[in-house]
Amino acid sequence: DAMVIQNPRYQVTQFGKPVTLSCSQTLNHNVMYWYQQKSSQAPKLLFHYYDKDFNNEADTPDNFQSRRPNTSFCFLDIRSPGLGDAAMYLCATRDREGEQYFGPGTRLTVT
Amino acid sequence: GQQLNQSPQSMFIQEGEDVSMNCTSSSIFNTWLWYKQEPGEGPVLLIALYKAGELTSNGRLTAQFGITRKDSFLNISASIPSDVGIYFCAGPQNNFNKFYFGSGTKLNVKP
Repeated sequence: DAMVIQNPRYQVTQFGKPVTLSCSQTLNHNVMYWYQQKSSQAPKLLFHYYDKDFNNEADTPDNFQSRRPNTSFCFLDIRSPGLGDAAMYLCATRDREGEQYFGPGTRLTVT
Repeated sequence: GQQLNQSPQSMFIQEGEDVSMNCTSSSIFNTWLWYKQEPGEGPVLLIALYKAGELTSNGRLTAQFGITRKDSFLNISASIPSDVGIYFCAGPQNNFNKFYFGSGTKLNVKP
């Protein structure tokens, strides 16, 4: 089945130790998103790609970076994770009709 | 930025009861999306609405796109325990590259 895949599902990192979260999609959608979600709140958009065009939200900290080497893959790099960065990170794609599809998320713990 | 007001914030109901939740906006949307999120998982798209006045069903779920294009509601009939989760409404920016989310309705169903 076509889908959005996130690896790993659970990630533990140490305070200040760089970490990379991965997302891949088999939907061939040209728009991909990274969201941060904390305890039952709505997902908060960090950035999105339209093809290779990168769009950063104004309030996304510089600590968060992203790479999209090709249509299928997108990475979220957290350069120096702080305790406040512990959250669920959601990857999503969008189709031509405007429907957005989410991956299962990566739960990040910072120790 | 754009805000979607979703209510109620949480609901505690008995199995078999019907449920209704809604989302309102101060601005017009051309698409409304309804998602369900279970603990530890990403949001799953339930229903997408594209036209003002549109009424769409997906099993026991029914959603409507308000005529003013500033609101939408989601009904769940004959609730069952597996309906438990957080329901989010979402609407895209005009270019469909950014989505705004409601704050979520947490549904609890007592068997």
